[in-house]
Amino acid sequence: AQKVTQAQTEISVVEKEDVTLDCVYETRDTTYYLFWYKQPPSGELVFLIRRNSFDEQNEISGRYSWNFQKSTSSFNFTITASQVVDSAVYFCALSEFNQAGTALIFGKGTTLSVSS
Amino acid sequence: EADIYQTPRYLVIGTGKKITLECSQTMGHDKMYWYQQDPGMELHLIHYSYGVNSTEKGDLSSESTVSRIRTEHFPLTLESARPSHTSQYLCASSQGHSYEQYFGPGTRLTVT
Repeated sequence: AQKVTQAQTEISVVEKEDVTLDCVYETRDTTYYLFWYKQPPSGELVFLIRRNSFDEQNEISGRYSWNFQKSTSSFNFTITASQVVDSAVYFCALSEFNQAGTALIFGKGTTLSVSS
Repeated sequence: EADIYQTPRYLVIGTGKKITLECSQTMGHDKMYWYQQDPGMELHLIHYSYGVNSTEKGDLSSESTVSRIRTEHFPLTLESARPSHTSQYLCASSQGHSYEQYFGPGTRLTVT
């Protein structure tokens, strides 16, 4: 069965620290998509990134970077030089390729608190 | 980026009332979804739709019902609200094989 595990429930850092959010997934399929979403205190989920199972190239977008490793079934998210505005709950999610449009399977989320 | 709207944002209602949570998107996305999220918890799919006149139940059992008469509109209805329905309800949409889902701001429902 598909499963997404975010072992870190809460992380607290001070501004300008780097922080890595872990995500480990389980799936029997060879083709799938992985996602990260951010949920700020206002409640809406903001899409951050999608990565397909064929592409293990790491990606960097500003202060955000993602490390995808199929060998360890991990899709970790790093925020460099964290800021107070990064405080939010971050969700990792998984979707299977052959079930287009079906639900994303979400992890339980990691609450990141960045203090000044 | 999708524009997806939910109303009301907050709702406090008494037990036994019928309520409808509205969700609309303006991007012409064919697929729409409803998720339920309890405070501090992960999201669980309760309903989804692949297109007009198509609705399916999700992984989490729910007493709510949905309809998809128009592409842009995917309302969720509770015929008789109960305190156990207190939760946040998030609507999302996606297009074709893009897979990423875009979420509305959510409706925080409290049933007293």
